[in-house]
Amino acid sequence: QSVLTQPPSASGTPGQRVTISCSGSSSNVGLSIVNWYRQVPGTAPKLLIIANNQRPSGVPDRFSGSQSGTSASLGISGLQSDDEADYYCAAWDDTLNAVVFGGGTKLTVL
Amino acid sequence: QVQLVQTGAEVKKPGASVKVSCKESGLTFTGYYIHWVRQAPGQGLEWLGRINPNSGSTHFAQKFQGRVTMTRDTSISTAYMELNRLRSDDTAVYYCALGFSYGQFDYWGQGTLVTVSS
Repeated sequence: QSVLTQPPSASGTPGQRVTISCSGSSSNVGLSIVNWYRQVPGTAPKLLIIANNQRPSGVPDRFSGSQSGTSASLGISGLQSDDEADYYCAAWDDTLNAVVFGGGTKLTVL
Repeated sequence: QVQLVQTGAEVKKPGASVKVSCKESGLTFTGYYIHWVRQAPGQGLEWLGRINPNSGSTHFAQKFQGRVTMTRDTSISTAYMELNRLRSDDTAVYYCALGFSYGQFDYWGQGTLVTVSS
């Protein structure tokens, strides 16, 4: 059972916009910044969104992040087949004194 | 170009220990930490802890305290994670990751599969 809650799956058609949610509590998402990772199965995760809504160099602006209260979300616009992957949110938890992750969301492009 | 290269796959028996290494290269900055994150088969990501490569100070997730050790050898730019008293549910891919703050992991190693089986 992950500390941060994500939907196990999401889907969309090419060109659509999808949103993936990440729900936490006042000890993690409500208190700390959220980072997002993209993982193609069999490979290492890759940093996608920093500090709620910043994109590392090389990440296209189709990817965006937001945070409000104890929830955060990842938005992907102009969906492409290459976007199929698992997406994870991560944050610091002040009660557990540890980094916590969401359970991951598997994105399928139909 | 920053690279983190980890040791190859390991197979261990329950109760044994495993030590995974993570060699850094291409770093032109300081002030970073080396974190260790694991992923059991078909499961999500789990943070084990982190080490400051310069000072050697460590911070472990409570779940792993007493069972995990993180060290580094600055002369060869290599960090190590040792997990003791292995159990079958420790079977996972173990990643090292470089980051400047908790939760932000900018660079990742390729992962090391550790299989615990009798």
